Amino acid sequence: KAGVTQTPRYLIKTRGQQVTLSCSPISGHRSVSWYQQTPGQGLQFLFEYFSETQRNKGNFPGRFSGRQFSNSRSEMNVSTLELGDSALYLCASSFDGMNTEAFFGQGTRLTVV
Amino acid sequence: QQQVKQSPQSLIVQKGGISIINCAYENTAFDYFPWYQQFPGKGPALLIAIRPDVSEKKEGRFTISFNKSAKQFSLHIMDSQPGDSATYFCAASYAGGTSYGKLTFGQGTILTVHP
Repeated sequence: KAGVTQTPRYLIKTRGQQVTLSCSPISGHRSVSWYQQTPGQGLQFLFEYFSETQRNKGNFPGRFSGRQFSNSRSEMNVSTLELGDSALYLCASSFDGMNTEAFFGQGTRLTVV
Repeated sequence: QQQVKQSPQSLIVQKGGISIINCAYENTAFDYFPWYQQFPGKGPALLIAIRPDVSEKKEGRFTISFNKSAKQFSLHIMDSQPGDSATYFCAASYAGGTSYGKLTFGQGTILTVHP
């Protein structure tokens, strides 16, 4: 069974640009959550999607957005990048997002210069 | 009230020793407590998880102990090996409208096992 796949693995962007990250969940999983990981703040929840609907959102500015497609694949977008957005972005896949096992991808390392 | 506090920040043990990492929470609505292991450059990997209806769960060398009244839970790694050297995160979640898909993580513990 294939795991959670995130693409790309690494990205370098300039301040002010926008970026789109992709996540393919485990087959059969309909919930995809996104997290930002930094040395200072640790793992912070961004948002969760289930059946193409955002059900939950963390405390991040509106520059951070996402969507989910009918095949459960998800994308997150960050617009008007800031230096502080440099982080490892992780997605987690679970069956229904309700206290079931969540499995993480390898992450996308975003560097904003 | 959403915080999960993890200690210690770093831990050094000798090969064959026992590694113990502790977490405490305040939100009594939490009812699922997983532990994750993360190696550099990788995503967190689910190690073991527990729910409040049991006080202990063991999988191989890894054991979770859960104390509901104290709102604390801990990870014990028996016979620690150099290959266990990684960062460990505790987490908590609850089923509910404001918690879909959300894990609240501790700050992490960097474990180093010396050969």
